[in-house]
Amino acid sequence: GAGVSQSPRYKVAKRGQDVALRCDPISGHVSLFWYQQALGQGPEFLTYFQNEAQLDKSGLPSDRFFAERPEGSVSTLKIQRTQQEDSAVYLCASSPDRVVPISGNTIYFGEGSWLTVV
Amino acid sequence: SQQGEEDPQALSIQEGENATMNCSYKTSINNLQWYRQNSGRGLVHLILIRSNEREKHSGRLRVTLDTSKKSSSLLITASRAADTASYFCATYFSGSARQLTFGSGTQLTVLP
Repeated sequence: GAGVSQSPRYKVAKRGQDVALRCDPISGHVSLFWYQQALGQGPEFLTYFQNEAQLDKSGLPSDRFFAERPEGSVSTLKIQRTQQEDSAVYLCASSPDRVVPISGNTIYFGEGSWLTVV
Repeated sequence: SQQGEEDPQALSIQEGENATMNCSYKTSINNLQWYRQNSGRGLVHLILIRSNEREKHSGRLRVTLDTSKKSSSLLITASRAADTASYFCATYFSGSARQLTFGSGTQLTVLP
């Protein structure tokens, strides 16, 4: 597809349930990011992949959160034993190059997966 | 934690007026970016300004950067109803090579 695709778009989970959120980045993009956005807030960084390597996972809030990108394309964010505070929009983004902060990268965001934990 | 803080949190103007949003950040940066997010949608990159630049234009957008004050402003001229969205500043600050850090956003409403 032309853009970053995320699925499901909406997910309602019962507290304690495991969820898996999928991201299809733009074809050929090297960098992939996951962000968490609470209602009324800006996105917060969760994790970064360069190809299949997870180079930064410092933003993952707990060991219940796990992300993978085994073949360097599609990525999955898994949340185990969901809790109400996990309710948020989970945004995936990709960029054609590895991150070069000095020059800046244009990052392309998907429309997010809206997770509600009840 | 949020690196940048936008001001105001919400702004409502009439179509045709100019809209100005401000962003302050805490640590030294390599560059600063502005994004737009329509309700229920993903973020769209608008413009990037590097730390050695003071002003940049793109269409109806004008961004300024004052590194001595650690602040940036986004001006949208001749606003349209379609400009209604949330606007976020985002930075790669020197302490992080990969974490694009966003502010809390300004909700802009342009009334027809």
